[in-house]
Amino acid sequence: DAKTTQPPSMDCAEGRAANLPCNHSTISGNEYVYWYRQIHSQGPQYIIHGLKNNETNEMASLIITEDRKSSTLILPHATLRDTAVYYCIVRVAYRDDKIIFGKGTRLHILP
Amino acid sequence: ETGVTQSPTHLIKTRGQQVTLRCSSQSGHNTVSWYQQALGQGPQFIFQYYREEENGRGNFPPRFSGLQFPNYSSELNVNALELDDSALYLCASSPRQPNTEAFFGQGTRLTVV
Repeated sequence: DAKTTQPPSMDCAEGRAANLPCNHSTISGNEYVYWYRQIHSQGPQYIIHGLKNNETNEMASLIITEDRKSSTLILPHATLRDTAVYYCIVRVAYRDDKIIFGKGTRLHILP
Repeated sequence: ETGVTQSPTHLIKTRGQQVTLRCSSQSGHNTVSWYQQALGQGPQFIFQYYREEENGRGNFPPRFSGLQFPNYSSELNVNALELDDSALYLCASSPRQPNTEAFFGQGTRLTVV
């Protein structure tokens, strides 16, 4: 079973920041938080990952709470092309590398 | 572009037939994982290959089998196809090192009729 909980769907107006929450209350000390997204019928696309510090790249920012039990993915200026299913995953990359996907959050960007 | 390529992109098979799907991993990645994604569902882990050995398997029957080659590319074989095997099949490659990401291919859409 997936170790994360996400809302099934969210709406965001185009141009606004999209904030996608994720709960991972049973995360272990060596597990990283990863975010992927899947645009319709394509392979999942890697977005960002982090252990305990906040992370930012050209696509998004990842905010992890101090207790590491939850995180938020932030898309700073959402566009219609950001419409996708977003998956929050916890994973130990060097151990077994398999990814257990939950149901994800379907993000709708509204024009 | 992730550097992970899958072939073919689409195919149609008849129930009872066998199918082979292929995946070329990203350069430097020694681990390949395969996933099945039914319509409207998240990807489900089938199995993983690390340095040519099966290294973990999900809840899939033995008629799902695989191979990994010395160049780390991989094949997924499915025997005795069933209608429920219709899905998007995804492969992901990774370097199996700390603090690294796995990259997915675009998938193979298999339809069993």
